[in-house]
Amino acid sequence: EVKLVESGGGVVQPGGSLRLSCAASGFTFDASAMHWVRQAPGKGLEWVATITGDGVSSYYVDSVTGRFTVSRDNSKNFLSLQMSSLRTEDTAIYYCARDTYKWNPGTIADWGQGTLVTVS
Amino acid sequence: QSVLTQPPSASGTPGQRVTISCSGGTSNIGSDYVYWYQQLPRTAPKLLIYSNTQRPSGVPGRFSGSKSDTSASLAIDGLQSEDEADYYCAIWDDSLSKYVFGTGTKVTVL
Repeated sequence: EVKLVESGGGVVQPGGSLRLSCAASGFTFDASAMHWVRQAPGKGLEWVATITGDGVSSYYVDSVTGRFTVSRDNSKNFLSLQMSSLRTEDTAIYYCARDTYKWNPGTIADWGQGTLVTVS
Repeated sequence: QSVLTQPPSASGTPGQRVTISCSGGTSNIGSDYVYWYQQLPRTAPKLLIYSNTQRPSGVPGRFSGSKSDTSASLAIDGLQSEDEADYYCAIWDDSLSKYVFGTGTKVTVL
């Protein structure tokens, strides 16, 4: 059974930093690209970042480019999102999610339960 | 604002057919696979349709996806009370290397 467990959310002041983590199990971690998707309170889904299975390539939504960094440790089955220069508009539930492909993202097959980040 | 436009809401009575549209353009829907996600209240999203028309195992057959030129649709045939949720279309825009979600549609079962 695929399991994705996020941690690291909390309350942070504007301009501050936070690091989210996602512990993955139940699948071959390095065979899957991984995503971060967020949802602001009462709003729709917004893709944040993607990293390929080998960790070589990463992609970001324009609004976080230069402020957020996605990384992964394939030896420990961990995904991270380092967030800096946080803004109030970054307040959201952040979901860790697994793609079915290693290099060609698209099918987000599994999702974690999410962790709440509040910038205030 | 998303480049994939969905109606904000849709509704039907139990047993009815409900269709949700997702409008884009030749550079996104016209070029890439479309995915659909269901988000029940206060839960994480769930994959409903991938590669335009494919259902993952475990997704009921009453859900179906289609795509035509620059738009896509999700149909629910035989609406049930447990289908009351938010539905999102999405694409991986290969030309931009970005994932894009639609604006979302709230389905209400009357």
